[in-house]
Amino acid sequence: SYELTQPSSVSVSPGQTARITCSGDVLAKKYARWFQQKPGQAPVLVIYKDNERPSGISERFSGSSSGTTVTLTISGAQVEDEADYYCYSAAANNLGVFGGGTKLTVL
Amino acid sequence: EVQLVQSGAEVKKPGESLKISCQGSGYSFNNYWIAWVRQMPGKGLEWMGIIYPDASDDSGTRYSPSFQGQVTISADKSINTAYLQWSSLKASDTAMYYCARSDCSTTNCYPSAYWGQGTLVTVSS
Repeated sequence: SYELTQPSSVSVSPGQTARITCSGDVLAKKYARWFQQKPGQAPVLVIYKDNERPSGISERFSGSSSGTTVTLTISGAQVEDEADYYCYSAAANNLGVFGGGTKLTVL
Repeated sequence: EVQLVQSGAEVKKPGESLKISCQGSGYSFNNYWIAWVRQMPGKGLEWMGIIYPDASDDSGTRYSPSFQGQVTISADKSINTAYLQWSSLKASDTAMYYCARSDCSTTNCYPSAYWGQGTLVTVSS
């Protein structure tokens, strides 16, 4: 089966760098995407192809990949970045899988 | 402007059937896969399945093993709409359901930046 593992929570102070990891065997062969979700809202794409940022997404957001782990980095985290973050990767045969999600607290 | 607009919130009783919808506009609906994603109260995102609206048969539909046999995904390309349906709801089906346009190459599909607003399904006796 395909599984992606994320820490349940990460906490940083405003202005610090937040790093959220996502691990899974499938990541050695497939790209990852990262989604941000704030309470009561639909998810928002913040990183695709491991490290590409969609237009309109703050430069504070970056991604990296090494082996079976991808990392979302939020540089100079702001209070407005407080949200749940989910990694996603493709599995075989058009299937997909999300990580369990990480709650980012900025305070 | 690309938009996915989902049908409104539903309150159902256990055992009832339900079909919710996701209508696309602003792009060629037939040519993009649509995925369905579940989010149970206070929980994370779960990828349920995906459909290619222009497929001529069931070969254009895939289900996560966790949802195979539990739901049915379909589409009506004449009205740019994808559907998620249940034949017999359970209380455990209570959740927010999102549709998402997906970017696919060969057999790799990824939810895009375009998501519906979500449909809240509540199943309670």
